[in-house]
Amino acid sequence: QSALTQPASVSGSPGQSITISCTGTSSDVGSYNLVSWYQQHPGKAPKLMIYEGSKRPSGVSNRFSGSKSGNTASLTISGLQAEDEADYYCCSYAGSRTFVVFGGGTKLTVL
Amino acid sequence: QITLKESGPTLVKPTQTLTLTCTFSGFSLSTSGVGVGWIRQPPGKALEWLALIFWDDDKWYSPSLKSRLTITKDTSKNQVVLTMSNMDPVDTATYYCAHRLSAAQFDYWGQGTLVTVSS
Repeated sequence: QSALTQPASVSGSPGQSITISCTGTSSDVGSYNLVSWYQQHPGKAPKLMIYEGSKRPSGVSNRFSGSKSGNTASLTISGLQAEDEADYYCCSYAGSRTFVVFGGGTKLTVL
Repeated sequence: QITLKESGPTLVKPTQTLTLTCTFSGFSLSTSGVGVGWIRQPPGKALEWLALIFWDDDKWYSPSLKSRLTITKDTSKNQVVLTMSNMDPVDTATYYCAHRLSAAQFDYWGQGTLVTVSS
């Protein structure tokens, strides 16, 4: 069982917006602004989409945005496109004993 | 341009020790702040962080796997090596190495290498 909880699946139609939640605890998500989000297409390596909760690496579309409230981080994808269909994982720093925790992943389906 | 590539056996037997090498370019593990981590993914399952080594030789390990893991670096060869002892079929997974952007965040990943544990 993963340390961070994500919905198993979400779906949306092209052009719509969706949000994926990532729920942790006060020991990880709630204590640090160090949540990252990864996109993974089948058979491919994960790709960093958001870091430090809301920052986008160079080259990542501004349709991707991140936020946090309490122990829950969220990834929002606006203007859904077919190529956004993938698995998405959240990750957080979890302090000096646990260090790094991942979520269980969310499969995004673009209808 | 940062690149990383994993190498090692594709098949190991139960109880054996797995040794994986991550060979990278585009950065130096002797530069302050730099780190390289290992993450694995069983077929059809989620990502799981394993270990992280820093420029100053500080090392982080997953608490649940710490007793079985060792991470080392060879700065002159631009390589990071992960060993995992007492392999079991449940350790069958694609193993990735990745460049640490900051804290627990990884911005460049290798292509991954599938390791199967079977007798």
